[in-house]
Amino acid sequence: NAGVTQTPKFQVLKTGQSMTLQCAQDMNHNSMYWYRQDPGMGLRLIYYSASEGTTDKGEVPNGYNVSRLNKREFSLRLESAAPSQTSVYFCASREIRYYTDTQYFGPGTRLTVL
Amino acid sequence: RKEVEQDPGPFNVPEGATVAFNCTYSNSASQSFFWYRQDCRKEPKLLMSVYSSGNEDGRFTAQLNRASQYISLLIRDSKLSDSATYLCVVNSGNTPLVFGKGTRLSVIA
Repeated sequence: NAGVTQTPKFQVLKTGQSMTLQCAQDMNHNSMYWYRQDPGMGLRLIYYSASEGTTDKGEVPNGYNVSRLNKREFSLRLESAAPSQTSVYFCASREIRYYTDTQYFGPGTRLTVL
Repeated sequence: RKEVEQDPGPFNVPEGATVAFNCTYSNSASQSFFWYRQDCRKEPKLLMSVYSSGNEDGRFTAQLNRASQYISLLIRDSKLSDSATYLCVVNSGNTPLVFGKGTRLSVIA
C-alpha cells in the first residue's frame, strides 16, 4: 500500500498562476482532507470531503477549489496564486471504524508563490 | 476560546528525563482524543489514541480528564528521537478532527 500520495512534492509559482495539487489514497477511505501549514504554525483545514460526491469548506477555503474525482482522488486547485498561499499543503484520508479513528497524511507539497 | 489549546513550548529536556504535555479542549461533547507526532518538515502521524481509562504504550502514557476537559501525554526516559512536535487532536462528532497547534519537544544529549 502506498497510503496517501501527493504530487508534486515542490512547486514554485508566480503570482496569478494557477495549479492543481493532486492527492490519492489506496486505503478505500471515505473521508479526505486538505490542510495548509505555515512555518511554525498549526494545521489549518482548507476543504474536506466526507464521502465521494461531497465537499465542504474548512477554516480557510478562500482562494481554493477542490474536486473529489472518485473515492481515491481529491484535488486542490489554486486559480490565481498569491504570495499568501505560500505554504506546505497536506492531504489526508481518514479511517473511521467502531474501535479506531485514524487520519493518514501524505508527505506534503511545498508551494512557494513569488 | 480556541477549541483545542496547547502550550507551544519548546520544552527542552535532557535525555532520560520525564516530560508531560497537557492539552485543553472546549467542547464538552467531544468524543475521542488522540496524540499525533510531527517531525520537522514531515507529515503528522498518529502516536496514540487516548482512552477514558488512560493508556500506555511503552514509554508513553496518555490520560483523559473529562471533568476538567484536558488530556495529557507523559513521556518517560526521553530519547533524542522523541524530539518532535506533539499535536493534540479532538473528535467532536461527525465533523473533521480538530488539531491543536502542537507542543514542540527538544531532547538534548
